[in-house]
Amino acid sequence: EIVLTQSPGTLSLSPGERATLSCWPSQSVSSSYLAWFQQKPGQAPRLLIYGASTRATGIPDRFSGSGSGTDFTLTISRLEPEDFAVYYCQQYGSSPWTFGQGTKVEIK
Amino acid sequence: QVQLQESGPRLVKPSETLSLTCTVSGASINSYYWSWIRQPPGKGLEWIGYKYYSGSTNYNPSLNSRVTISVDKSKSQFSLKLSSVTAADTAIYYCARVNYDILTGDYQIDYWGQGTLVTVSS
Repeated sequence: EIVLTQSPGTLSLSPGERATLSCWPSQSVSSSYLAWFQQKPGQAPRLLIYGASTRATGIPDRFSGSGSGTDFTLTISRLEPEDFAVYYCQQYGSSPWTFGQGTKVEIK
Repeated sequence: QVQLQESGPRLVKPSETLSLTCTVSGASINSYYWSWIRQPPGKGLEWIGYKYYSGSTNYNPSLNSRVTISVDKSKSQFSLKLSSVTAADTAIYYCARVNYDILTGDYQIDYWGQGTLVTVSS
């Protein structure tokens, strides 16, 4: 099973700032089969990025994903008030699919 | 507009079977994979498994022997059964659609239900 480690656990930033979230798989994720989700309190997760760097339908271009192998990054170029949430990475390159433990982006 | 809605008992006794149904609207249940994912209160996400509409399944080995996912095409529903539950199975259970891109091999968990909290307690 591939274990995904996300860093940092919590990111305290102000609106307008840049957020950089990391996801480190314990083994190489084949074909960059890695996704990012956003989850707000009381809501289901929302798909942001798949294939490491492809934005899902309707996702603003301030969200971008990059990386391969054992090092992936989600970047939010300028935080909007609605972006403060918990973010999860997920790999689907090998079974079982696994999620990271999450990074909380909070208002500073 | 694709919508998924979970339904089923919110309270299950230890050692019994948890049963949930997800009703799909706005999309054909054909041509997609259908998945269950759970989240213990205040914790992270755990993938339970998926079933392709036409039959193939893939379950998380940590739950494999206790899980069954089925699809009822006539009702546009899919279901989860988790047997021999314990308090550790208390979680918000989400149903979700998985869109498989045959060209890239990408799986996209693109639509989710709102989730339903199932508590295991006597």
